[in-house]
Amino acid sequence: GAGVSQTPSNKVTEKGKYVELRCDPISGHTALYWYRQSLGQGPEFLIYFQGTGAADDSGLPNDRFFAVRPEGSVSTLKIQRTERGDSAVYLCASSPTVSYNEQFFGPGTRLTVL
Amino acid sequence: QQQVKQSPQSLIVQKGGIPIINCAYENTAFDYFPWYQQFPGKGPALLIAIRPDVSEKKEGRFTISFNKSAKQFSLHIMDSQPGDSATYFCAASKVRNQFYFGTGTSLTVIP
Repeated sequence: GAGVSQTPSNKVTEKGKYVELRCDPISGHTALYWYRQSLGQGPEFLIYFQGTGAADDSGLPNDRFFAVRPEGSVSTLKIQRTERGDSAVYLCASSPTVSYNEQFFGPGTRLTVL
Repeated sequence: QQQVKQSPQSLIVQKGGIPIINCAYENTAFDYFPWYQQFPGKGPALLIAIRPDVSEKKEGRFTISFNKSAKQFSLHIMDSQPGDSATYFCAASKVRNQFYFGTGTSLTVIP
């Protein structure tokens, strides 16, 4: 079956602009996670959803970052007033339930802020 | 604060060699320890995972050794192949919680 998909695969924007990154999880997966991976580093947790609600958003670096999952499937990560330090690969992962350990990762969106 | 520490940062082995990657953690509440493989431009893919109630798990050419008292675990790749060249990440988590990843090990297997 289809895996986790993320769009766009690459996004180049200018400092100060607003961006939206989309994640389509595996069908039926109720848990959805966002991570950020900087060059040469491991993924760092941002937020996770159980269904429509954000169960843990403790990894969001500041209030410029926001994520939604209005219908419990697709999720959008939103970044306002982008800064050059936001440049990274943003990874999405899904899991059948939040109590099922394995997370299935998408290919990521590479965000470059000029 | 790095929850999971991984070493080495990079590793080069000959084909057929046995690369070993090590990780250490502090939080004794962690109860799931996966290893992920990542190729350039791709997302991480699960290789193998272990829980703290066992000391070793083997799947194909990949083995995890787990030392609960030392809070360490390692990945061994038997009979390594050039196709194994990738970045490997260890991670740790509690149920219903996020993954904490190590910083990654870049493995190169020379033909």
